[in-house]
Amino acid sequence: EAGVAQSPRYKIIEKRQSVAFWCNPISGHATLYWYQQILGQGPKLLIQFQNNGVVDDSQLPKDRFSAERLKGVDSTLKIQPAKLEDSAVYLCASSPDSSNYGYTFGSGTRLTVV
Amino acid sequence: DQQVKQNSPSLSVQEGRISILNCDYTNSMFDYFLWYKKYPAEGPTFLISISSIKDKNEDGRFTVFLNKSAKHLSLHIVPSQPGDSAVYFCAAAAWGSSNTGKLIFGQGTTLQVKP
Repeated sequence: EAGVAQSPRYKIIEKRQSVAFWCNPISGHATLYWYQQILGQGPKLLIQFQNNGVVDDSQLPKDRFSAERLKGVDSTLKIQPAKLEDSAVYLCASSPDSSNYGYTFGSGTRLTVV
Repeated sequence: DQQVKQNSPSLSVQEGRISILNCDYTNSMFDYFLWYKKYPAEGPTFLISISSIKDKNEDGRFTVFLNKSAKHLSLHIVPSQPGDSAVYFCAAAAWGSSNTGKLIFGQGTTLQVKP
């Protein structure tokens, strides 16, 4: 089966600019996650979708970050405006449902804000 | 508040020897634990998991041990191979209380296996 697809792989932007990341999960996976991994730290959950509904967005900085999963398939994560501290790898993951913890991660998008 | 801690940033072992990676947690609600392996420029890959009703789980060369009273788990790799060189993340979930799929990750330990 095809894995979790993410694009772009790398992005460099200036602070205060906006950026968007795209994720296409494994076909049929109802649950989709966006994690942020800052250098030297473990991944941190930003938002979790079950189909096209939000399950957990408690750690999403909602003043600048937004995410959507229209039609319960692919998803986009947007940052506007970006700050220097947003430099990180943004990982998308999917699983068949929320009770399955061994989920599949994509390769991530490395964002550098200068 | 770091609920899952991997206190060793790096570990180096000789090929064929045992690698032991450690992880501590503070939240007593955690009842399901996983190890992920990550190669450079790739996403983390699920390796092995353990439920709090067990104290050991084996899968080939990989064994995870859980000590609930000490809030400590460890991953043993025997024998270690150069292809095992990667970053290993410990993760925890409160499966029984929330079962939302959310994982709390440690900071990771970089394992280097020397030929």
